[in-house]
Amino acid sequence: GENVEQHPSTLSVQEGDSAVIKCTYSDSASNYFPWYKQELGKRPQLIIDIRSNVGEKKDQRIAVTLNKTAKHFSLHITETQPEDSAVYFCAAKDTGGGNKLTFGTGTQLKVEL
Amino acid sequence: DVKVTQSSRYLVKRTGEKVFLECVQDMDHENMFWYRQDPGLGLRLIYFSYDVKMKEKGDIPEGYSVSREKKERFSLILESASTNQTSMYLCASSPLQGLAVGGETQYFGPGTRLLVL
Repeated sequence: GENVEQHPSTLSVQEGDSAVIKCTYSDSASNYFPWYKQELGKRPQLIIDIRSNVGEKKDQRIAVTLNKTAKHFSLHITETQPEDSAVYFCAAKDTGGGNKLTFGTGTQLKVEL
Repeated sequence: DVKVTQSSRYLVKRTGEKVFLECVQDMDHENMFWYRQDPGLGLRLIYFSYDVKMKEKGDIPEGYSVSREKKERFSLILESASTNQTSMYLCASSPLQGLAVGGETQYFGPGTRLLVL
């Protein structure tokens, strides 16, 4: 089955700086890669996703890049703000049925004032 | 707006008790999932279901079972709760693959924090 590794496990940045979280996946046939944000005490929510036919996708201050050859994808957050502080999870869709996702272990991002 | 609800936010049970966690979604989604979330381990899939009465084991099914008698409801059952099942349990749903833009997106419930004493 799919295996997803995520780094770093914790990340601390100054407000206004950029943050980058990286994930690798094992199944070269995976074709969908979502990112979820989980604020303290709340449910994970999708913030951006990318499909394997696209190399980069951007939505305001967040962007995701995908390198299919190397089997890795990254989340980029620019001009970080305190409200960006949360746990971020990457995931890759399994090639089997049922829309099954395999998640990374999460990155705790802290944006300091 | 997709709504996924879980029957309890917090639950305290004794070792050996049978525990039922309920999840309901209101978007007519075919797929439903149960995860447990533990610090440093991320979200691990316990079971999922792609149709009524259908179920598939995820990565950590041992000690759990599930039931899906109606499309909107997916139940997680701990037959005999143990202390190592103390965790946050998250339910999610998604539409049938390929039939909607973003059809793979999973929508999560608020979670049930279970403590087994």
